[in-house]
Amino acid sequence: AQTVTQSQPEMSVQEAETVTLSCTYDTSESDYYLFWYKQPPSRQMILVIRQEAYKQQNATENRFSVNFQKAAKSFSLKISDSQLGDAAMYFCASSARGYGQNFVFGPGTRLSVLP
Amino acid sequence: AAGVIQSPRHLIKEKRETATLKCYPIPRHDTVYWYQQGPGQDPQFLISFYEKMQSDKGSIPDRFSAQQFSDYHSELNMSSLELGDSALYFCASSLEGLGSHEQYFGPGTRLTVT
Repeated sequence: AQTVTQSQPEMSVQEAETVTLSCTYDTSESDYYLFWYKQPPSRQMILVIRQEAYKQQNATENRFSVNFQKAAKSFSLKISDSQLGDAAMYFCASSARGYGQNFVFGPGTRLSVLP
Repeated sequence: AAGVIQSPRHLIKEKRETATLKCYPIPRHDTVYWYQQGPGQDPQFLISFYEKMQSDKGSIPDRFSAQQFSDYHSELNMSSLELGDSALYFCASSLEGLGSHEQYFGPGTRLTVT
């Protein structure tokens, strides 16, 4: 079984500043993936970044990077140089490796970007 | 680039009616997932198909059924609709055969049951 927890229901950041969203997870799987998805007001789910659990190197995608602490089961997302378009609901998710394995999502963190 | 297509985008049904939601995955993607997202909730997994076979099953009510067809499109059939079925239904697809496991979501179908 998998569970994902996001302890920050809401966060805000000033434009051009950096913000970190927290996520902790629990899984009995030995091989799994972790993801961050963004859901703007349009409700479209957009993949932000992906991390494979067996890789020690933290994933990076442009202004987005993660801090993956496997032993602590922590997977935080850092957004650098925040832009107004980053305002959205952010969901952390985990999934076991395997064909068609479902994603378990956390409750989400609503990020506001202040001009 | 082609994305996941869902139809219809909006659907209004009455209680006890039946609804069919359709999903067309990204070309060459071999896996389809269905999720239900209630207001203010995170997406909840319903069911998935890999190469047209059911792969994983979540909290899908017995009133719901789904299948993936030979052209890889998928349909979610919902019968005896209840008010609580009102939600945004997402379809996602991935290319599991190459170990990608990145799910790309469609725009969703907003179902309202009155």
